[in-house]
Amino acid sequence: DTEVTQTPKHLVMGMTNKKSLKCEQHMGHRAMYWYKQKAKKPPELMFVYSYEKLSINESVPSRFSPECPNSSLLNLHLHALQPEDSALYLCASSQDINSNTGELFFGEGSRLTVL
Amino acid sequence: AQSVAQPEDQVNVAEGNPLTVKCTYSVSGNPYLFWYVQYPNRGLQFLLKYITGDNLVKGSYGFEAEFNKSQTSFHLKKPSALVSDSALYFCAVRVFSSGSARQLTFGSGTQLTVLP
Repeated sequence: DTEVTQTPKHLVMGMTNKKSLKCEQHMGHRAMYWYKQKAKKPPELMFVYSYEKLSINESVPSRFSPECPNSSLLNLHLHALQPEDSALYLCASSQDINSNTGELFFGEGSRLTVL
Repeated sequence: AQSVAQPEDQVNVAEGNPLTVKCTYSVSGNPYLFWYVQYPNRGLQFLLKYITGDNLVKGSYGFEAEFNKSQTSFHLKKPSALVSDSALYFCAVRVFSSGSARQLTFGSGTQLTVLP
């Protein structure tokens, strides 16, 4: 069982909708991540938060807006998405952005379909 | 710079036979190497990692991996495959130096199919 919880598991939205993906972890980790994954492809890093501050933005379009309300929660706000944004969105956490153990713990993902 | 290569998109093996999923890496610095598994419609699950020390690393579900510095490889192995091992496997690398770490770089993935 994963200790990173993502909701919703599935989301269908139109191109004009506004929706949010949510992620929660209670492992005391101080780094949290959003990844985008297309079918049968490796995850692509989108954003990294370290101690609740945005540390890395991998040139993600502004229609994706991350938010870290506290050390346990991570949101991804979605607005005016395109059909090509349909993918599995994975949240992950790690002890620290510079942890020398380095493994990430992933949630089960939110499968997004944009019509 | 850091990168990993998984030369095989697909690996098929009969149940009960040993399995190997290949991974090679290229880094400037000391590598931290990881294997993750992804079952259909699920997130990635951590299997094992190499940080330092013993070159043979044992992980979850009976998997192990051998770090070979001279060949820059980190192949995933299991002595006897199960049908339930069928999944998508990702190798990943991270370089850590001078108090900071690059983010994980994933390989392209290898689909393992274990045939009954």
